[in-house]
Amino acid sequence: GQQLNQSPQSMFIQEGEDVSMNCTSSSIFNTWLWYKQDPGEGPVLLIALYKAGELTSNGRLTAQFGITRKDSFLNISASIPSDVGIYFCAGQQNYGGSQGNLIFGKGTKLSVKP
Amino acid sequence: EAQVTQNPRYLITVTGKKLTVTCSQNMNHEYMSWYRQDPGLGLRQIYYSMNVEVTDKGDVPEGYKVSRKEKRNFPLILESPSPNQTSLYFCASSRLWARDTQYFGPGTRLTVL
Repeated sequence: GQQLNQSPQSMFIQEGEDVSMNCTSSSIFNTWLWYKQDPGEGPVLLIALYKAGELTSNGRLTAQFGITRKDSFLNISASIPSDVGIYFCAGQQNYGGSQGNLIFGKGTKLSVKP
Repeated sequence: EAQVTQNPRYLITVTGKKLTVTCSQNMNHEYMSWYRQDPGLGLRQIYYSMNVEVTDKGDVPEGYKVSRKEKRNFPLILESPSPNQTSLYFCASSRLWARDTQYFGPGTRLTVL
């Protein structure tokens, strides 16, 4: 099946640092979504992107829909301890007017530097 | 309170014994979906439903069945579970499609021996 390449797989953050992660695909997507999952819980939608080139913010989070429609990135500014968790990107395509299924990246695990 | 509920939360079963994981939402959402989450593989969509009696395969539908007879319920059926279906399963719903916030259930951890 289709795949999204999400990187990095994991990263350690120090409070106050900015964080970047991205997703790329060989296929074009019409929608890009970013989710966060805390341990023992289901994913929670952070940001949704619907147009190529779109840049959207949600508090300290900023995400962009790549101009080629094959990639997206998420930035977290001035990270805080509660930012730790697993972040997933997800892409969705349309087929002949009907909605396609949602494809998730493998996740980026954010941890606090020891 | 708006929520997606799944039952059971934890299940240990044996190979070949049919089981059903229920999913219910109280938000009158049209769209519902099932995912499985495995270490190193992220979330993979099993089946989804755009509305009552409308279901479609996701990325990994083999070995699973679903039904959508009512808007609020979307059960996941494993007719003959196998050990490779040991996983963490999530149900999700949204008002329309992914353009609206997808609410995820708390997850069902399934172990097939």
